[in-house]
Amino acid sequence: SAVISQKPSRDICQRGTSLTIQCQVDSQVTMMFWYRQQPGQSLTLIATANQGSEATYESGFVIDKFPISRPNLTFSTLTVSNMSPEDSSIYLCSVYRGPYEQYFGPGTRLTVT
Amino acid sequence: LAKTTQPISMDSYEGQEVNITCSHNNIATNDYITWYQQFPSQGPRFIIQGYKTKVTNEVASLFIPADRKSSTLSLPRVSLSDTAVYYCLVGPNTGFQKLVFGTGTRLLVSP
Repeated sequence: SAVISQKPSRDICQRGTSLTIQCQVDSQVTMMFWYRQQPGQSLTLIATANQGSEATYESGFVIDKFPISRPNLTFSTLTVSNMSPEDSSIYLCSVYRGPYEQYFGPGTRLTVT
Repeated sequence: LAKTTQPISMDSYEGQEVNITCSHNNIATNDYITWYQQFPSQGPRFIIQGYKTKVTNEVASLFIPADRKSSTLSLPRVSLSDTAVYYCLVGPNTGFQKLVFGTGTRLLVSP
């Protein structure tokens, strides 16, 4: 398994501002992922982040809104830019460990007012 | 990816066995069945994966009939701490596969 931490664990932000979420893994991993989970909903994949390459975004998510960095094999950041109340969600990172096997961080609960 | 159907919610009491069934009628030959568990305020946790017959680990058992069009996650003697959302995912067990989460089954265990 992998131990994954996220910072911050929660935040309340004003609309129009940006928040950067950090994801730290205790071992080197090739593939990391960012998900969004809106209140009472299931998880939706935002993007796949491989070290050394540009993140790959899923339909409905764009780099200008959710820029991602992956500077090394144990760390990634997701920025939620120009936030609106619709961005209020839990944001989770995960790491790939095998087909259909991912380990998830605890999530960052974001509220936009 | 095979479409999956699960009950939206289930209720149980402590000490009971809980069986959550997932339907996947269009499962492909090389698809595996994977279950995740998500506790409130936590990320999902991989709990079990199987291809056919029965798989058991320290958390749960997974029963898959011969036609593989459904599967059942069995939680023996549940406790309050088993209250969670359980997700069934179906897809090939080779290479990288994106996880596509459905609505899952919300299990509530009461005293």
